[in-house]
Amino acid sequence: NAGVTQTPKFRILKIGQSMTLQCAQDMNHNYMYWYRQDPGMGLKLIYYSVGAGITDKGEVPNGYNVSRSTTEDFPLRLELAAPSQTSVYFCASSPLVSSQRTGELFFGEGSRLTVL
Amino acid sequence: GQQLNQSPQSMFIQEGEDVSMNCTSSSIFNTWLWYKQDPGEGPVLLIALYKAGELTSNGRLTAQFGITRKDSFLNISASIPSDVGIYFCAGSSEPNAGNNRKLIWGLGTSLAVNP
Repeated sequence: NAGVTQTPKFRILKIGQSMTLQCAQDMNHNYMYWYRQDPGMGLKLIYYSVGAGITDKGEVPNGYNVSRSTTEDFPLRLELAAPSQTSVYFCASSPLVSSQRTGELFFGEGSRLTVL
Repeated sequence: GQQLNQSPQSMFIQEGEDVSMNCTSSSIFNTWLWYKQDPGEGPVLLIALYKAGELTSNGRLTAQFGITRKDSFLNISASIPSDVGIYFCAGSSEPNAGNNRKLIWGLGTSLAVNP
């Protein structure tokens, strides 16, 4: 049961470098999300997608970009990495249950990024 | 942005003890969720609540959707070492919570269990 797969698990970047965090899910979920988690803080939504070809900003989108060309994949792009982007990044997906209920979020194991 | 007040921030208990934690919001929520995060892992859903007053159990875990719709409680009975982790509450005030984009997350309760 793969679920949500994130790569890489760890990465160190220099200031100004760019990189892409990969996320793939094999559950045919409509919704996908990128969160960041900082020490002692809750999860902050960066971007989300309600289906292939449709993405939208979350609470903290600055410095990031996403794309959703397929149902399965939802990569997160960091352009011009900054120390403030040092964090643990979680990709998640959820099914469409109904308009009255939130679908359960299934999270990947996280990608720990350090920007020096 | 809006945040939930989750308490306590951390707990250190003896194996076998019961645990209680709660979340409060300044606004009315239509959905309350409780997630657990094991070290080095992503959060996993424990219990979902959709109705004021609702009381739901999942094994030794019991959660309640407060009558005021501004709070929720999670209880763990007879704690065991594998209960260690961070427990997050999350809520939404959206009337139609078809996806999770409007979820607001608490800062977590870190639980340590002494065998």
